[in-house]
Amino acid sequence: AQSVSQHNHHVILSEAASLELGCNYSYGGTVNLFWYVQYPGQHLQLLLKYFSGDPLVKGIKGFEAEFIKSKFSFNLRKPSVQWSDTAEYFCAVRTGGFKTIFGAGTRLFVKA
Amino acid sequence: DVKVTQSSRYLVKRTGEKVFLECVQDMDHENMFWYRQDPGLGLRLIYFSYDVKMKEKGDIPEGYSVSREKKERFSLILESASTNQTSMYLCASSLSSDSGNTIYFGEGSWLTVV
Repeated sequence: AQSVSQHNHHVILSEAASLELGCNYSYGGTVNLFWYVQYPGQHLQLLLKYFSGDPLVKGIKGFEAEFIKSKFSFNLRKPSVQWSDTAEYFCAVRTGGFKTIFGAGTRLFVKA
Repeated sequence: DVKVTQSSRYLVKRTGEKVFLECVQDMDHENMFWYRQDPGLGLRLIYFSYDVKMKEKGDIPEGYSVSREKKERFSLILESASTNQTSMYLCASSLSSDSGNTIYFGEGSWLTVV
């Protein structure tokens, strides 16, 4: 069955630290890949997405993600986090049709 | 901006009650979805619809049904609510022609079944 794995459930960082959140998926065909973010008290919103072309994707607020097809991975990165990045981050994969599968989420807490 | 509106933010219902969760989107999206969000489990797809009167089961459809009589409205129905259906329910929509199919979410409905 198709699945999405996020390696860390909770991450705590200090401001200015670098961030990398892991995401792996299990599906052998063509995929569209997404990272969504949910800030405290707000609804889920798109951070960035990959559907074709350059495997390094840049999103909002200085986030980027790299699609490595051979590793079935789509890790999210940010070189220097801010307190305002405290949120829950979800990796998602669309494998075909209209169905998108989400990972369990990673809660990031950034200490001021 | 796309707006997905869920009619109720917080509900408390009794076991066995019939529960309706309503969702409306204002961007003429073909696709609409209902997810539930639980800690440590992420978002799990309950049902989705790709057109009026069309519906498809997601990963956890048991105990739920849906209705899509109009393009902009997608309702989730709990025929007989149970305590294990206490959760946050998220409605979402997307445009079929959008490459990458970005999903737009509502703010969520917190349902507690007592």
